[in-house]
Amino acid sequence: GAVVSQHPSRVICKSGTSVKIECRSLDFQATTMFWYRQFPKQSLMLMATSNEGSKATYEQGVEKDKFLINHASLTLSTLTVTSAHPEDSSFYICSARVEGSYGYTFGSGTRLTVV
Amino acid sequence: AQSVTQPDIHITVSEGASLELRCNYSYGATPYLFWYVQSPGQGLQLLLKYFSGDTLVQGIKGFEAEFKRSQSSFNLRKPSVHWSDAAEYFCAVGAYNQGGKLIFGQGTELSVKP
Repeated sequence: GAVVSQHPSRVICKSGTSVKIECRSLDFQATTMFWYRQFPKQSLMLMATSNEGSKATYEQGVEKDKFLINHASLTLSTLTVTSAHPEDSSFYICSARVEGSYGYTFGSGTRLTVV
Repeated sequence: AQSVTQPDIHITVSEGASLELRCNYSYGATPYLFWYVQSPGQGLQLLLKYFSGDTLVQGIKGFEAEFKRSQSSFNLRKPSVHWSDAAEYFCAVGAYNQGGKLIFGQGTELSVKP
């Protein structure tokens, strides 16, 4: 089945630095990738939708200059958290639509801790 | 506005007992509905999905869900719960008229008593 590989699974960074999270579709082409954020004991909140070769669409309230999304190829989408602060600490998950199936596949998530 | 409501934040059932997790949705078009399970610190695993056809859908791990359009519900059921079923469960609707994003419910945490 369709698999999305997300890396890293865990990352600790210092406040003020940037962190890049990658999601790769391994056996299919992901024309659309969704990026979610999840706080402890809470649901997934959509941050942005990215389509290959075009600018990402951000949800209301999400800072596009802080959360940079790049979807330069059909198999790779990245989320970069710029100038990270402790409040950016969270669990980030990517999801790709599987064309032709109305289904979605999720990465395994990245636990970001900013110290 | 489209939304998904899971009324129960936390449910505890005894091992071997039956389970029903509730999900209600608000969506203006034909809904595409999903149930996912998440273990702590992990991604989401698809349990089952409904697009059309038979309103009772079977999923993995012995789960099933029934789509009831008149009640705007898509409740998840399992006849006999196993200790390994303890996890967080999310109901979601696919908003295909909004770029295909998934709208999630708040989640229901399931605990299983021995």
